[in-house]
Amino acid sequence: GAVVSQHPSRVICKSGTSVKIECRSLDFQATTMFWYRQFPKQSLMLMATSNEGSKATYEQGVEKDKFLINHASLTLSTLTVTSAHPEDSSFYICSARRRTGRGGSNQPQHFGDGTRLSIL
Amino acid sequence: KNQVEQSPQSLIILEGKNCTLQCNYTVSPFSNLRWYKQDTGRGPVSLTIMTFSENTKSNGRYTATLDADTKQSSLHITASQLSDSASYICVVSATTNAGKSTFGDGTTLTVKP
Repeated sequence: GAVVSQHPSRVICKSGTSVKIECRSLDFQATTMFWYRQFPKQSLMLMATSNEGSKATYEQGVEKDKFLINHASLTLSTLTVTSAHPEDSSFYICSARRRTGRGGSNQPQHFGDGTRLSIL
Repeated sequence: KNQVEQSPQSLIILEGKNCTLQCNYTVSPFSNLRWYKQDTGRGPVSLTIMTFSENTKSNGRYTATLDADTKQSSLHITASQLSDSASYICVVSATTNAGKSTFGDGTTLTVKP
């Protein structure tokens, strides 16, 4: 159980293209989803926290107009990298946390398998 | 400032050997500590999660310990296998700040035949 699906797994596109990445919790409801960026040999950097039905909370230094996040339902969040440029090339990972019940914030985050974005 | 520091940064061991990875944190007020395994090009997979009252938890050949007084955790891997080669990430969450997590930089483990 607790499967998070992220799609696509790999994207290669030209500079100026907008890219949408989907993150779905397949067998549970996720009130909170997180979007991370990871550079080679570094740990995950939190970009934003997405709560269903409300605006995402962005970390300092992350441009909200550049990285559009939509959390339309309890099982789906999307990250759109608008007008992507080569410096946006990275590994993007989402995670989802179960709807709060027993355990609250002790509920583990379940990660997707990431999206490798390459902008030419 | 909440911080999570992991050591060593990288480790190479022979198949079948044991190893221990360390995690020190300053996250407060403490909620839970999790160890994840991340294979190259994949998302992290949860190994263990421990709350304040737990000082050890096992998952197969993985055993995590937690000393909440000294704010230290370790991940012990026994009888290592080639498939254990991965990055191991320590993640600590606070009870405040919407349970936001602080990630360590990870330890890269390489198991050689």
